[in-house]
Amino acid sequence: GAVVSQHPSRVICKSGTSVKIECRSLDFQATTMFWYRQFPKQSLMLMATSNEGSKATYEQGVEKDKFLINHASLTLSTLTVTSAHPEDSSFYICSGTLQGAAQETQYFGPGTRLLVL
Amino acid sequence: GDSVTQMEGPVTLSEEAFLTINCTYTATGYPSLFWYVQYPGEGLQLLLKATKADDKGSNKGFEATYRKETTSFHLEKGSVQVSDSAVYFCALRGGGYQKVTFGTGTKLQVIP
Repeated sequence: GAVVSQHPSRVICKSGTSVKIECRSLDFQATTMFWYRQFPKQSLMLMATSNEGSKATYEQGVEKDKFLINHASLTLSTLTVTSAHPEDSSFYICSGTLQGAAQETQYFGPGTRLLVL
Repeated sequence: GDSVTQMEGPVTLSEEAFLTINCTYTATGYPSLFWYVQYPGEGLQLLLKATKADDKGSNKGFEATYRKETTSFHLEKGSVQVSDSAVYFCALRGGGYQKVTFGTGTKLQVIP
């Protein structure tokens, strides 16, 4: 099946710094990518949906100026957590899907664990 | 809004035991229902799905039946293997919408 990678797999940073997480589709072109976050023992929560070459659509309650998403190519999307704080510590997961495909056929990355000290 | 509730884990079973992971949902309209699996170190993968009431989704020996009357989509397998050890997520996609809502995930550990 299609493979999605994320980098880094885990990152520790100081409060106030910015962190960039990359999501790459390795063997397919992902016209749409999704970013999720997951707190311990909680559901996967959709943060935003991004289509290649256009601005991301953020879910209600997600600060777009804090979580910057760039989907510059069909194989790469990045999530930048700006001025990170301890409450941003979480597990961030991306996924990609093909043009016209229903969202349930998305292919997920392995996730990035962020710890903000 | 839409929501999915699934049993908390971890669930620990011996090899060849029967598995049930409960999942119930709340949604408007007629949602499609899914089970995803996440093996250690990998991303989520779609395991099976059902798109209307009384449909049964099945894959790799796993089954789940869409029960509208009980708003449930319980995952079952007759004989689990060590290789089934993973985290299982129940999810739904509301009728007319693209967004998928996930449950909290249930960790399954199968011991030899």
